[in-house]
Amino acid sequence: DTGVSQDPRHKITKRGQNVTFRCDPISEHNRLYWYRQTLGQGPEFLTYFQNEAQLEKSRLLSDRFSAERPKGSFSTLEIQRTEQGDSAMYLCASSLGLAVDEQFFGPGTRLTVL
Amino acid sequence: AQRVTQPEKLLSVFKGAPVELKCNYSYSGSPELFWYVQYSRQRLQLLLRHISRESIKGFTADLNKGETSFHLKKPFAQEEDSAMYYCALSGGSNYKLTFGKGTLLTVNP
Repeated sequence: DTGVSQDPRHKITKRGQNVTFRCDPISEHNRLYWYRQTLGQGPEFLTYFQNEAQLEKSRLLSDRFSAERPKGSFSTLEIQRTEQGDSAMYLCASSLGLAVDEQFFGPGTRLTVL
Repeated sequence: AQRVTQPEKLLSVFKGAPVELKCNYSYSGSPELFWYVQYSRQRLQLLLRHISRESIKGFTADLNKGETSFHLKKPFAQEEDSAMYYCALSGGSNYKLTFGKGTLLTVNP
């Protein structure tokens, strides 16, 4: 286990299609975060899991977005009926879960909606 | 509300010159401040955090609560310091990070 992994690294889809991204955190990391980054911006928080429980969702996360973390291991982020405005880099991060600890980031999934 | 401001989008210095990347924050409570760095074609990684008070790769940052700032400094910049730098804040119970827009540092030979 060499770090947080994300799959796929790139996804091109047509408007209206559904897409799903996967994140595998570092083993034994209890917390998992999803962020979104658009051009010229820093990453923006989307949602956060403590083990399998989704504890917070940003207002950025519309009803078309859903995230899961079954069994507290890997996580999936699904976007339904994609829109061009969903084009962004989707980043996953994980941390041990000890107070405010270091978040380790994955390489990201770049989504392009045509 | 949490907010992080990095006023410089781009910063260019010559090798050996001092460098300071500015970061100001807004948060009503007691924040945790971080600097993350992203080198070309690499993932985002932690550079330093204020509570550790460490110097990493020659960089230091001091939290100034009076000025609500957490500027990143290095006395002698190196070419390998060229990267995108993000200041980030964590506050509250969910431990999420609020990032600034980033500063692209270029160190010229």
